[in-house]
Amino acid sequence: DAGVTQSPTHLIKTRGQQVTLRCSPKSGHDTVSWYQQALGQGPQFIFQYYEEEERQRGNFPDRFSGHQFPNYSSELNVNALLLGDSALYLCASSLRQIGETQYFGPGTRLLVL
Amino acid sequence: AQSVTQLGSHVSVSEGALVLLRCNYSSSVPPYLFWYVQYPNQGLQLLLKYTTGATLVKGINGFEAEFKKSETSFHLTKPSALMSDAAEYFCAVSERAINDMRFGAGTRLTVKP
Repeated sequence: DAGVTQSPTHLIKTRGQQVTLRCSPKSGHDTVSWYQQALGQGPQFIFQYYEEEERQRGNFPDRFSGHQFPNYSSELNVNALLLGDSALYLCASSLRQIGETQYFGPGTRLLVL
Repeated sequence: AQSVTQLGSHVSVSEGALVLLRCNYSSSVPPYLFWYVQYPNQGLQLLLKYTTGATLVKGINGFEAEFKKSETSFHLTKPSALMSDAAEYFCAVSERAINDMRFGAGTRLTVKP
């Protein structure tokens, strides 16, 4: 049983560019959450998708957007990249029930130059 | 709003010694509480979680945590540290009405031989 997978593993972009990160949830999971983990910090909640809609959102600007597909996989898009967007982006999947355990992927490390 | 404070960004113990990692939370409703571990260049792995019921929660790798409502704490302990326990540990809180998690800043555990 494959766990949460993310692609790519590493990415280098320049300021102003756009990036798309991808996530496939653990088998049987219907909810995907995205987190940003800056170096030396804890993960920060970006948003959560369920039934192809954004259900909750953290304190991130509109430059951060996402999508969930009918097979529950998800994409995170970041437009107009800033140096401060350099971070590890983590995807977590779970069932859509309060307090359910979220299972994390290995992350995508984004470097913005 | 929910939040988590982890006391001590770095903790160093000797192999075989007690591990104690501190976590205090703030929540307007009874929370769900989690401890995750992150090894270098990897995603987060769940150690244990508290939802309801017994306040002493046992997790993987010999770790346990006790939910103390009066102290708003959820400290992580392990009686005898192993070298392989060296990692970053994150405490997280999720309010019952919202299925997103707020993480603390993390505690880096070093185990000395």
